[in-house]
Amino acid sequence: EVQLLESGGGLVQPGGSLRLSCAASGFTFSIYAMSWVRQAPGKGLEWVSAISGSGDSTFYADSVKGRFTISRDDSKNTLYLQMNSLRAEDTAVYYCAKGYYDLRPFDYWGQGTLVTVSS
Amino acid sequence: QTVVTQEPSLTVSPGGTVTLTCASSTGAVTSGYYPNWFQQKPGQAPRALIYSTSNKHSWTPARFSGSLLGGKAALTLSGVQPEDEAEYYCLLYYAGAHVVFGGGTKLTVL
Repeated sequence: EVQLLESGGGLVQPGGSLRLSCAASGFTFSIYAMSWVRQAPGKGLEWVSAISGSGDSTFYADSVKGRFTISRDDSKNTLYLQMNSLRAEDTAVYYCAKGYYDLRPFDYWGQGTLVTVSS
Repeated sequence: QTVVTQEPSLTVSPGGTVTLTCASSTGAVTSGYYPNWFQQKPGQAPRALIYSTSNKHSWTPARFSGSLLGGKAALTLSGVQPEDEAEYYCLLYYAGAHVVFGGGTKLTVL
């Protein structure tokens, strides 16, 4: 059974940093691209970032480029999102999802972790 | 900035049929945009329904189908059930390796 479990969310002040983690199980993590998608309170889904299976290629939405960094540790089956220079508009539930440019992209999702940027 | 547009809300009667659409600000949606569809219920993570225009995941109920219709991606629900009440999102792929979600359609079964 595929499982994705996000952690690391919380309350952070504007300008602060936070690192999210997504622990994966139930599939061969190292061969799949992985993504982060966020959802602001009461709003729709917004793709944030993705990383290739090899980790060699990373992709970012314009809204987070230069501030967020996606990475992965295949030895730990874990995906990360380092978020710096956080803004109030980054407040959202952050989901990790399996896939990106795959045959069946975004087929599995975690339950999400809430990030609140506020003073 | 690329915008993907969906109907904000639709209402359907139980047992009825409804079609949700997904349009791109760049022009007609084709299979090359690899349309995906997702269902999200309140307090839950999104669930994948359709990939690459019309392909169903193993868990997707048969009453859901994807297609291209009049230059848009479309999701049709036939024989709607009360449990289909949810928010539905489409996703399109664009050149330059970026993806864009639509704004979502709130489907009410009434």
